[in-house]
Amino acid sequence: EVQLVESGGGLVKPGGSLRLSCAASGFTFSTYSMNWVRQAPGKGLEWVSSISSSSTYIYYADSVKGRFTISRDNAKNSLYLQMNSLRAEDTAVYYCARYYYDSSGYYYDFFQHWGLGTLVTVSS
Amino acid sequence: DIVMTQSPDSLAVSLGERATINCKSSQSVLYTSNNKNYLAWYQQKPGQPPKLLIYWASNRESGVPDRFSGSGSGADFTLTISSLQAEDVAVYYCQQYYSSPLTFGGGTKVEIK
Repeated sequence: EVQLVESGGGLVKPGGSLRLSCAASGFTFSTYSMNWVRQAPGKGLEWVSSISSSSTYIYYADSVKGRFTISRDNAKNSLYLQMNSLRAEDTAVYYCARYYYDSSGYYYDFFQHWGLGTLVTVSS
Repeated sequence: DIVMTQSPDSLAVSLGERATINCKSSQSVLYTSNNKNYLAWYQQKPGQPPKLLIYWASNRESGVPDRFSGSGSGADFTLTISSLQAEDVAVYYCQQYYSSPLTFGGGTKVEIK
C-alpha cells in the first residue's frame, strides 16, 4: 500500500525558513516522479513543485520560484521542500503527492496518491 | 496558464437525486494526437486529502462507485453523481494536466438538501 507521510510544518515568521519532508513507502520510490501541492485554509488546490525520479527535471510554480527548493533522497525514500523567504500567502497545508502511473510504467500529470499533509503557518 | 473555472460554487441536492458539477478550461485540454482530454476530477472530504475520482475526463479510478461519471471534451466538462449518497458530501475539484503549470478549478461544495 502506498503511504506518503509529511512532516516539518509549523509556525514561522515572515521571511523565515522551513524544511518539509515526505516519507514514502509501499512502492519503489526511486522510480517515481513526486510533487508538492498546497492548499491555503478554506481555499483550493495549488500545484507547487515536481521532481523527476533521478532529480533531473525540476519544476516550480511561479509563486514559489526562487524561494522554494524541491529535492529527494532515493536512498532514504524521502522527498523534501526547502522553503525560504516565507510570506503570509504561503500559509497552507502542504501535500506530498505522486503522479498516476499506468501498467506500462508511463506517468501522467494527475495525482493518484496523496499524503495527509502538513500545515505551514507564516505569521508574526 | 490554463484557468479552470468550476460552477456552481456550491449546490445542495436531496439524497438519491442527481448532482451535476461543471468545469470550463480557458483553452482546450484535448490532445488531438491521441484524442484524449487531459482532465481529472477529485473529491475532498473535510480534513482529508483529495481523492482521485476520474481521469481522461471520463475514466473512473479503481474503486470509485459507478454513480460518479465524467463527461465532456475540449474545454467543457461535467462531473455527475447520479444518485447522491450521504458519504458524497465533499468539495469536488477539476484539474487540467494538458500543460504546465498544472491547475485546478476553485472547487464545488456538495451538500445534502
